[in-house]
Amino acid sequence: TQLLEQSPQFLSIQEGENLTVYCNSSSVFSSLQWYRQEPGEGPVLLVTVVTGGEVKKLKRLTFQFGDARKDSSLHITAAQPGDTGLYLCACGTSYGKLTFGQGTILTVHP
Amino acid sequence: DAGITQSPRYKITETGRQVTLMCHQTWSHSYMFWYRQDLGHGLRLIYYSAAADITDKGEVPDGYVVSRSKTENFPLTLESATRSQTSVYFCASRDRGQNTEAFFGQGTRLTVV
Repeated sequence: TQLLEQSPQFLSIQEGENLTVYCNSSSVFSSLQWYRQEPGEGPVLLVTVVTGGEVKKLKRLTFQFGDARKDSSLHITAAQPGDTGLYLCACGTSYGKLTFGQGTILTVHP
Repeated sequence: DAGITQSPRYKITETGRQVTLMCHQTWSHSYMFWYRQDLGHGLRLIYYSAAADITDKGEVPDGYVVSRSKTENFPLTLESATRSQTSVYFCASRDRGQNTEAFFGQGTRLTVV
């Protein structure tokens, strides 16, 4: 089982600040997904990164996949209260298994 | 309506009772999953299924049983509930392929007293 380590576990910031969340593993990822979960709801996919060194942007969110495919990061620019939620990284296998990290709880204060 | 639905949304049960959580998806996705979510642990995989009649253990399978006689249904049974099984349970499904998106139900909040 591939272990996914996320950091930090908690993040509390003011509106307008920037932040970065990390997802690391001792093994190589075949691909990595980032999900966001709001209270009372199930997680929703934000992005999938597949290629080492890949960078994807989703409005104010920037996702990077490390060159060695052992790490990934999520950077949010000018955070807004609407960004508040639980951010999860996940990796899948060719036989279907999907494993998640322990998540980062982000709170953005107005 | 298309989607993935869980029932019940909330359940309170007593220690030692058997409880079944239901999950139904309308996409005919091959893969289905059960996770539990506790503060500080993210989503921990209980069981998953690659197809009807094919199931496999995840990280925390003890005390749980699953079945998948039909592609669209994936019930999770707690054979003899314990307080440590108090949690929020999420069912998910996704199509074949390593990078496909997982779709989640709204969760079942289970309290064992």
